[in-house]
Amino acid sequence: QSILTQPPSVSGAPGQRVTISCTGSSSNIGASYDVHWYQQLPGTAPKLLIFGYNYRPSGVPDRFSGSKSGTSASLAISGLQAEDEADYYCQSYDSSLSGSVFGGGTKLTVL
Amino acid sequence: QVQLVQSGAEVKKPGASLKVSCKASGYTFTTYGINWVRQAPGQGLEWMGWISAYNGNINFAQKLQGRVTLTTDTSTSTAYMELRNVTSDDTAVYYCARGYKKYYHMDVWGKGTTVTVSS
Repeated sequence: QSILTQPPSVSGAPGQRVTISCTGSSSNIGASYDVHWYQQLPGTAPKLLIFGYNYRPSGVPDRFSGSKSGTSASLAISGLQAEDEADYYCQSYDSSLSGSVFGGGTKLTVL
Repeated sequence: QVQLVQSGAEVKKPGASLKVSCKASGYTFTTYGINWVRQAPGQGLEWMGWISAYNGNINFAQKLQGRVTLTTDTSTSTAYMELRNVTSDDTAVYYCARGYKKYYHMDVWGKGTTVTVSS
């Protein structure tokens, strides 16, 4: 059971917009710690996608965006493309555990 | 360019210790910390710990405290993760990832080290 809760899977057709939720608690997201998002393609290391409020590393398309409200955060992907098919993870810091925590991951399928 | 190069795959017997290295290049090693993250087969990411390459401050995941040691060698810009008394539950891909502070994002990742624990 992960400290941050994500849906196991989401899907969408090419060109559509999908969102992936990440639900935490008052000791992590609700405590104003930043939420970060990673994309993991099959057989590869995770790659930073969104960090902080809604910042994208160089090279990440603006189709990817992040938001946060209360004890939850979301990753939105617009203009879905076949290459977006991957696993997505949220990450934050938990003050009770004094360490970083990951969500369980969400598998995105592009139909 | 900034990169983290990890040591090669290992096979360990239950009860043994494993040590994975992570050599940094392309940036000032002591400006950042290093996270260790593992991923069991077919599972999600599990944060193991973070060490500051500046002053050696460490944060561990509670479930691993007592079995894991994190160190850095600033002379070679290399971070190390040692895990003792391994079991089959420790079979995973182990990643190192750069993180400025313990609660920051992980912006550069190594390619991973596959560790198999089997008798």
